[in-house]
Amino acid sequence: GAVVSQHPSWVICKSGTSVKIECRSLDFQATTMFWYRQFPKQSLMLMATSNEGSKATYEQGVEKDKFLINHASLTLSTLTVTSAHPEDSSFYICSVPPSGPSYEQYFGPGTRLTVT
Amino acid sequence: QKEVEQNSGPLSVPEGAIASLNCTYSDRGSQSFFWYRQYSGKSPELIMSIYSNGDKEDGRFTAQLNKASQYVSLLIRDSQPSDSATYLCAGGDTGNQFYFGTGTSLTVIP
Repeated sequence: GAVVSQHPSWVICKSGTSVKIECRSLDFQATTMFWYRQFPKQSLMLMATSNEGSKATYEQGVEKDKFLINHASLTLSTLTVTSAHPEDSSFYICSVPPSGPSYEQYFGPGTRLTVT
Repeated sequence: QKEVEQNSGPLSVPEGAIASLNCTYSDRGSQSFFWYRQYSGKSPELIMSIYSNGDKEDGRFTAQLNKASQYVSLLIRDSQPSDSATYLCAGGDTGNQFYFGTGTSLTVIP
């Protein structure tokens, strides 16, 4: 069965609004979760590392004030895209490393965001 | 900067043949390596993990790791049309870094 869930699976929003995406670890507790973005026909791009109980670590070039991450519990991380624009339209995927950050990651099913 | 390099392809093989996917990595400190399969519009799915030099087999899949050459490969035997996907190579190091290659597109022709 699924190890990681995401909600919603797809969302359409208007430019300027905010969208929240949830990532849940179903089978184990996760002090670390990862958020990726993938544009069509491109590879995964790591956006940020979500840390339970502390601030997220953002990759270079990712605006922390635009992509708000909250790791509320050991099984839930949320990504909020604030003031979304059409260029934020993408496939957002979270992952959980059950054995530690440098070991295998299990991916959620992804959330397809379309900003009109 | 730690990097994983893959031939983007596309790689085409006939049904029943062996598909060979290759990956090189830049960081000798990397300890763990993974192959993911990603179908169009879906998230990546873990196929194999390998941590030691040599071969690791799981069904039709064999991962090979050569740390001296900084080389990782994935062999898919008896390729099926359902194997058509993008295959992502990834590496992890002891510094809690995890990094992906750009992926190789595989098409298995019936």
